[in-house]
Amino acid sequence: GAVVSQHPSRVICKSGTSVKIECRSLDFQATTMFWYRQFPKQSLMLMATSNEGSKATYEQGVEKDKFLINHASLTLSTLTVTSAHPEDSSFYICSASGGGLSADTQYFGPGTRLTVL
Amino acid sequence: SQQGEEDPQALSIQEGENATMNCSYKTSINNLQWYRQNSGRGLVHLILIRSNEREKHSGRLRVTLDTSKKSSSLLITASRAADTASYFCATGGGGNKLTFGTGTQLKVEL
Repeated sequence: GAVVSQHPSRVICKSGTSVKIECRSLDFQATTMFWYRQFPKQSLMLMATSNEGSKATYEQGVEKDKFLINHASLTLSTLTVTSAHPEDSSFYICSASGGGLSADTQYFGPGTRLTVL
Repeated sequence: SQQGEEDPQALSIQEGENATMNCSYKTSINNLQWYRQNSGRGLVHLILIRSNEREKHSGRLRVTLDTSKKSSSLLITASRAADTASYFCATGGGGNKLTFGTGTQLKVEL
């Protein structure tokens, strides 16, 4: 149980384009989803927290107009990287919690590798 | 948010040996969790220890927590090659948010 998927697993795009990444909880209803960013050999940095049906809460230093987050249902959250630049290349990981599961534990997706040329 | 520090940054051991990783953090916590990440993959939850607990076991894993020193350790006994991964501690301060440590890269050699 508590499976989270991400799509796509890898994406390569040109500078200036937008990329959408999907995060789905497959077997539970995720009241809260989190988006993280991870650079090579580094830790996870929380970008934003989203609760179903409400606006995401962004961490300090994360541009909300650049990283658009939508959590329209209890099983789906999307992260759109707008006007992507090479410095946005990174590993993006989502996680989810809720649905009667332990509120303290987050269940992670497999990640999306974004490369911006 | 401030990250915790993990020590060592990298650890290489032989199969069958024990691996110990340490985590220090800076703020008060409700709980501390350990996660594993295989290269290029998502994180897998290993174990959660609450602030009022001192030690917890799960299979070959043993976690300790010392809130007075703001530190935790993860011990993996009888390591296997499949344990090769990065290990992260994460502190929970309430509201479900987690703050991750810098991670330890463990390599278990045959």
